[in-house]
Amino acid sequence: EDQVTQSPEALRLQEGESSSLNCSYTVSGLRGLFWYRQDPGKGPEFLFTLYSAGEEKEKERLKATLTKKESFLHITAPKPEDSATYLCAVRPGGGADGLTFGKGTHLIIQP
Amino acid sequence: DAGVIQSPRHEVTEMGQEVTLRCKPISGHNSLFWYRQTMMRGLELLIYFNNNVPIDDSGMPEDRFSAKMPNASFSTLKIQPSEPRDSAVYFCASSLGSDDTQYFGPGTRLTVL
Repeated sequence: EDQVTQSPEALRLQEGESSSLNCSYTVSGLRGLFWYRQDPGKGPEFLFTLYSAGEEKEKERLKATLTKKESFLHITAPKPEDSATYLCAVRPGGGADGLTFGKGTHLIIQP
Repeated sequence: DAGVIQSPRHEVTEMGQEVTLRCKPISGHNSLFWYRQTMMRGLELLIYFNNNVPIDDSGMPEDRFSAKMPNASFSTLKIQPSEPRDSAVYFCASSLGSDDTQYFGPGTRLTVL
């Protein structure tokens, strides 16, 4: 069974304090690992897709990396507006196209 | 450019009533997904369609749940009869192709009393 585990469940940082969020996955044949951001009362907002180990993608203060077992979302010098829940999801091999999500990391950036 | 549109945004109903949730995907997208989000279980796939055809409904909890996509611009998720354990936020997402990036709507928060 495909599984996605995110850690920590919650993280509180000071503005400017860099850190990383972890996403560990077990999947039969990865066809994509996805990072989404979700603000309270809203739907998940797409951030990145990674397809193969060693791949990296960046957007503003965020950088996502991928290994064969896990992905990291690095946040550099975060600002209060980066506060959100960050969700990781995988698309397994085979024919299924639905995503399997982790439960997310709730990130709070204090000014 | 409009994103995925869902209605209603909030629904409060009593146990035993029928509930219908609606979704309009992004124009030109051929795949549509229904997810449910709860604190306990997170986001879970319920069903998805390719070109209006249901492909995988293995996530649908039980026979009380049904989904349809009568055309490329409209889908419904129906719960009949509803139960308190159905209370959750229901999201619709669409993608260009079934293995492309999924874009989510704002969700419908369902409360069953």
